[in-house]
Amino acid sequence: AQSVTQPDIHITVSEGASLELRCNYSYGATPYLFWYVQSPGQGLQLLLKYFSGDTLVQGIKGFEAEFKRSQSSFNLRKPSVHWSDAAEYFCAVGANNAGNMLTFGGGTRLMVKP
Amino acid sequence: GAVVSQHPSRVICKSGTSVKIECRSLDFQATTMFWYRQFPKQSLMLMATSNEGSKATYEQGVEKDKFLINHASLTLSTLTVTSAHPEDSSFYICSAPLIAGGREQFFGPGTRLTVL
Repeated sequence: AQSVTQPDIHITVSEGASLELRCNYSYGATPYLFWYVQSPGQGLQLLLKYFSGDTLVQGIKGFEAEFKRSQSSFNLRKPSVHWSDAAEYFCAVGANNAGNMLTFGGGTRLMVKP
Repeated sequence: GAVVSQHPSRVICKSGTSVKIECRSLDFQATTMFWYRQFPKQSLMLMATSNEGSKATYEQGVEKDKFLINHASLTLSTLTVTSAHPEDSSFYICSAPLIAGGREQFFGPGTRLTVL
């Protein structure tokens, strides 16, 4: 069965510091991957996605992620965090042979110190 | 981009009553929509796949008689929580792909259900 793991439940970084949020997946088929951000009480906003091709993908708000097939990972990075980045971040994985349903990781709550 | 709306955004009801939540694709047609549930401080869990003109497909452990799904048109899917209880209080989110079988899903803003 497919699974998505976000090992870090909470992360706190200082404003201006770099950020990396981890995502590992277990899928039988070639996956496609997403990162979403959710502010309290709000819906999901897509940050970036990977379907195929270049394994380093750029997203909105200065985020990027790198797909590493050998490590089954799709970690999210940002070189300099802003206070407005504080939110919950979800990694999600889908596959064409899974009816395009998405499996979500448990989420990582990011807190930003001034 | 594709826009998905949900109505209502918040609902409070008494235990034992039924609540209907609507999910609409505003600028595209959606033959498939997905319903998720998100408990506080937890991730999204897929409840069911809503298929236009046919029965919904429910995930294991989700009671189909309690969570009624109707996808009567290409732009509207409804989720009815029947005989709601406090443990049904949650954030319900729907999504739809822009095209049938599309990889990317577009999410609604969610509906906060509180059952007293």
